[in-house]
Amino acid sequence: GQNIDQPTEMTATEGAIVQINCTYQTSGFNGLFWYQQHAGEAPTFLSYNVLDGLEEKGRFSSFLSRSKGYRYLLLKELQMKDSASYLCAVMDSNYQLIWGAGTKLIIKP
Amino acid sequence: ETGVTQTPRHLVMGMTNKKSLKCEQHLGHNAMYWYKQSAKKPLELMFVYNFKEQTENNSVPSRFSPECPNSSHLFLHLHTLQPEDSALYLCASSQGLAGADTQYFGPGTRLTVL
Repeated sequence: GQNIDQPTEMTATEGAIVQINCTYQTSGFNGLFWYQQHAGEAPTFLSYNVLDGLEEKGRFSSFLSRSKGYRYLLLKELQMKDSASYLCAVMDSNYQLIWGAGTKLIIKP
Repeated sequence: ETGVTQTPRHLVMGMTNKKSLKCEQHLGHNAMYWYKQSAKKPLELMFVYNFKEQTENNSVPSRFSPECPNSSHLFLHLHTLQPEDSALYLCASSQGLAGADTQYFGPGTRLTVL
């Protein structure tokens, strides 16, 4: 079967850096997505990687290296509002998104 | 209205009731999706429509019945649900079905089946 693995929960301190990893087993690969979901709200799109490399958007970066097996979301200068779940999803060969269960990030002062 | 809207935001229903969830997208997209999100579980894709035609039905029980009258509107008709169907139901849309076509989500309907 297809599956996405990511940590269930992570804790970090305000102002620090955190890296959320994602591993996957899917039939094919047509890109990796990261979404942020605050409690009780809709997932919102953060980034998309299909080629190896780094995608930067302000304090958030997503990195993909398929050959080396690195896939992660990097959050810098953490703020309390970054407390949320971060969902990793991979688009398979049928262009269907396979989702992870999400990583709940807790930011402490 | 902008983005993807869903109504109602909250719904409580008995197992014998019939209700419908509504989704509307104002993004000019061609594809629309229904997902089920249960606590601590991955998003489960239920249905996909592209240009009003259903392209995916991921073994969803027949008590869930989708309807897509046009590219901007999507409904999920519910009847004789079970308590385990209680979850957050999310609607999403995307320009198309290609790899780079990002999905944009509505706020969801929190469904409780008694």
